[in-house]
Amino acid sequence: QVQLVESGGGVVQPGRSLRLSCAASGFSFSNYAIHWVRQAPGKGLEWVAVISYDGTNKFYADSVKGRFTISRDNSKNTVYLQMDSLRAEDTAVYSCARDFTSYAFDVWGQGTMVTVSS
Amino acid sequence: QSALTQPASVSGSPGQSITISCTGTSSDIGTYNHVSWYQHHPGKVPKLVIYDVSNRPSGVSNHFSGSKSGNTASLTISGLQAEDEADYYCSAYTSTRTDVFGTGTKVTVL
Repeated sequence: QVQLVESGGGVVQPGRSLRLSCAASGFSFSNYAIHWVRQAPGKGLEWVAVISYDGTNKFYADSVKGRFTISRDNSKNTVYLQMDSLRAEDTAVYSCARDFTSYAFDVWGQGTMVTVSS
Repeated sequence: QSALTQPASVSGSPGQSITISCTGTSSDIGTYNHVSWYQHHPGKVPKLVIYDVSNRPSGVSNHFSGSKSGNTASLTISGLQAEDEADYYCSAYTSTRTDVFGTGTKVTVL
């Protein structure tokens, strides 16, 4: 079935790095843009980044621009989120989502928890 | 990229209709028709219920409807049911080719 599965979360100290992965299955991965969305504990949803179907276009929320990098490997049906210079306020569940059409997200992963703490 | 503004909570009795507003700016809702709504039950993944202001994905009940006027989009739930109790988020495409979510609304079925 159509599925997105995130991995790579964990506990990391402030200033350190972490790379998240989003593995897709059950659909033509290379035809879809993929987004990352996060939800901090007790807070609402926050959009993080998007990568186009072919990886040529990437856009970021101001809160992560210059620190996070999104990429994809269509041969592996996987999207990555490289997170550098992590801060306490980056603590959240990070989920990837498929772009159904024009920034509407129809398939979501269960998410992976990232905790930034000393 | 300030979050879109939604009421913190909305409630209604079974069978009633409720409307959730989502206010943005001329850089997002006011210019583009790429407004989506998500239903989010705690512990589950968000579910897309409306896209492009007023379109329902296949399989979504027609008691969800969406509209837009100026910088404000709205989600109406008609014939409120117990299973509609959840958090609801709007989101919108922006002029910088990013996305922004709303602050979220907790819907309570009385």
